[in-house]
Amino acid sequence: EVQLVESGGGLVQPGRSLKLSCLASGFTFSNYGMNWIRQAPGKGLEWVASISSSSSYIYYADTVKGRFTISRDNAKNTLYLQMTSLRSEDTALYYCARLAMDAWGQGASVTVSS
Amino acid sequence: DIQMTQSPSFLSASVGDRVTINCKASQNINRYLNWYQQKLGEAPKLLIYNANSLQTGIPSRFSGSGSGTDFTLTISSLQPEDVATYFCLQHNSWPWTFGGGTKLELK
Repeated sequence: EVQLVESGGGLVQPGRSLKLSCLASGFTFSNYGMNWIRQAPGKGLEWVASISSSSSYIYYADTVKGRFTISRDNAKNTLYLQMTSLRSEDTALYYCARLAMDAWGQGASVTVSS
Repeated sequence: DIQMTQSPSFLSASVGDRVTINCKASQNINRYLNWYQQKLGEAPKLLIYNANSLQTGIPSRFSGSGSGTDFTLTISSLQPEDVATYFCLQHNSWPWTFGGGTKLELK
C-alpha cells in the first residue's frame, strides 16, 4: 500500500524557518517525481513545488520561490520542504503527493504567527 | 500562468441526480487536466486523470470529458457518499494550477 506521511509541522513566528519531511513507503520512491501542495484554512489547493525522481528538475510557485527549497533523499525514501522567511500567508496544511498526484499524504499543519 | 475557472462554486443536488462540474482554462492545456474529490478533513483523492481516464478504484458513475480549454466532470447518479468538494488541476505547464473548487451537497 502506498503511504506518504508528513511530519515537521508546527507553530512558527514570522520570519523564521521550518522543515517538513514526507516519508514514503509502499512504492519505489526513487522512480517517482514528487510534489508539495498546500491548503490554507478553508481555502482551495495551491501547488507549491515539484521535484523529479533524480532531483534534476525542480519547479516552484512564484509565491514561494526564493524562500522554499524542495529536496529529496532517495536512500531514505524521504521528501523535504525547507521553508524560510515564513509569512502569515504561508499558514496552511502542507501535503506531499506523487508527481501524478495519485497518492497524497494526510498533511502537516504549519501556522505562522507571532 | 494558466488560470483555471471552475463552476459552479456551490452545488446542491438530490440522490440520483446527474451532476456536472466545469473547469475552463485560460489557454489550451490539451488533455492535461485532473479531477479530485476532497471530503471534509481528508486529503484529496484523484478521480479522473488526463481529462477522461478513470483512476483505478473509482466508481464508474464518475466520468470526465473535454480538451483544450473546456472540461467537465460528470457524476451520472449522485450518491450520498459523493458529498465533497471537487477540484480540477491543470498539469500542462508549470506552475500547475487548481480550480477554485465546487462544494457539492445533498438537497
